[in-house]
Amino acid sequence: GAVVSQHPSRVICKSGTSVKIECRSLDFQATTMFWYRQFPKQSLMLMATSNEGSKATYEQGVEKDKFLINHASLTLSTLTVTSAHPEDSSFYICSARDATAGEQYFGPGTRLTVT
Amino acid sequence: DAKTTQPNSMESNEEEPVHLPCNHSTISGTDYIHWYRQLPSQGPEYVIHGLTSNVNNRMASLAIAEDRKSSTLILHRATLRDAAVYYCILRDVTSGYSTLTFGKGTMLLVSP
Repeated sequence: GAVVSQHPSRVICKSGTSVKIECRSLDFQATTMFWYRQFPKQSLMLMATSNEGSKATYEQGVEKDKFLINHASLTLSTLTVTSAHPEDSSFYICSARDATAGEQYFGPGTRLTVT
Repeated sequence: DAKTTQPNSMESNEEEPVHLPCNHSTISGTDYIHWYRQLPSQGPEYVIHGLTSNVNNRMASLAIAEDRKSSTLILHRATLRDAAVYYCILRDVTSGYSTLTFGKGTMLLVSP
């Protein structure tokens, strides 16, 4: 089946620093990738949608200057959390939509802890 | 997006069948019914989807009501590894596939 990987799986950073999370579709091309955030005991909340080669579309309430998304190729999207604060600590999950089949597959998630 | 309603939690014993209900009374004719599950500290995993007819795969069965206003995900023999949050999601597959939007889902607890 289609596989989506994320790196790193968990990261701890200090307040004020930036963290980059990578999302790759390993065996299919993804023209569209999604970034979700999940706080403890809550559901996944869509943060942004990115299309390869164009700017990401952010959901209401998500700061585009804080959460930088780059989708430079059909198999790679990155999320950079800039000037991270403790309230950014969360489980970040990426998802990729297969360009041909249309199905949406999810990565294993990245646990971010900001101290 | 059409909304779904699921119980917050359900309990089952190992090796027993589990029926997870989902109500979607405002479903439109082009909405597919998708089920995903999320194991602890993992990303969501596709389980099954259907439009009108009942569907079976190696993971589960999906029973869809005749009026499509409700559906039931059936795990034939629950195992401890099936303990997860199960999400029922409607997805319009016309005009380029809508984005998956997650509700609160049902937390399934499986006891040995």
